[in-house]
Amino acid sequence: NAGVTQTPKFQVLKTGQSMTLQCAQDMNHEYMSWYRQDPGMGLRLIHYSVGAGITDQGEVPNGYNVSRSTTEDFPLRLLSAAPSQTSVYFCASSPKASAEQFFGPGTRLTVL
Amino acid sequence: RKEVEQDPGPFNVPEGATVAFNCTYSNSASQSFFWYRQDCRKEPKLLMSVYSSGNEDGRFTAQLNRASQYISLLIRDSKLSDSATYLCVHKNTGFQKLVFGTGTRLLVSP
Repeated sequence: NAGVTQTPKFQVLKTGQSMTLQCAQDMNHEYMSWYRQDPGMGLRLIHYSVGAGITDQGEVPNGYNVSRSTTEDFPLRLLSAAPSQTSVYFCASSPKASAEQFFGPGTRLTVL
Repeated sequence: RKEVEQDPGPFNVPEGATVAFNCTYSNSASQSFFWYRQDCRKEPKLLMSVYSSGNEDGRFTAQLNRASQYISLLIRDSKLSDSATYLCVHKNTGFQKLVFGTGTRLLVSP
């Protein structure tokens, strides 16, 4: 099993550009989440999904969209990138009944 | 007040030392607690869950004090490979969402 995979590993955007961060898991987990990690802020939840077709907002959802058309994939879309979205983005998945979350390797995003 | 607060450190200890971290939480309804480990520029990984009665996993001991609203992590016989950031995490009942602390950095030196 590959676990949780994320692409790209690194990305540089200009202000106003849009892009999609990809996340996939092959563990058949129901729950998937997106976090961003900034110095001194810890991991903050952006959006999460409790199953295919179901998504909800986390703590910092503004400027981001998600969809969950399959169990495996949970892409995160930046609609119009801003410098404040410079961060490390982690995708995570977990089985329905378990609290342990398995994280992907992260995407380092810089918005100029 | 942050939901989860940790001393950022760094804690500098020699190999073989015993070191302990505390983490305080503000939500008395918090039901589940965990310690995650994060190596530099890597993703967080679950180190251990924290049970009400306290639990041990090899050199690691975790404890929960509900009256004072803190959890602790004790590492005995520190190894160089223990150098990492340790994240305190809690989950509220009814939500499949974890709340992460900012982490405590540990540096173990030869």
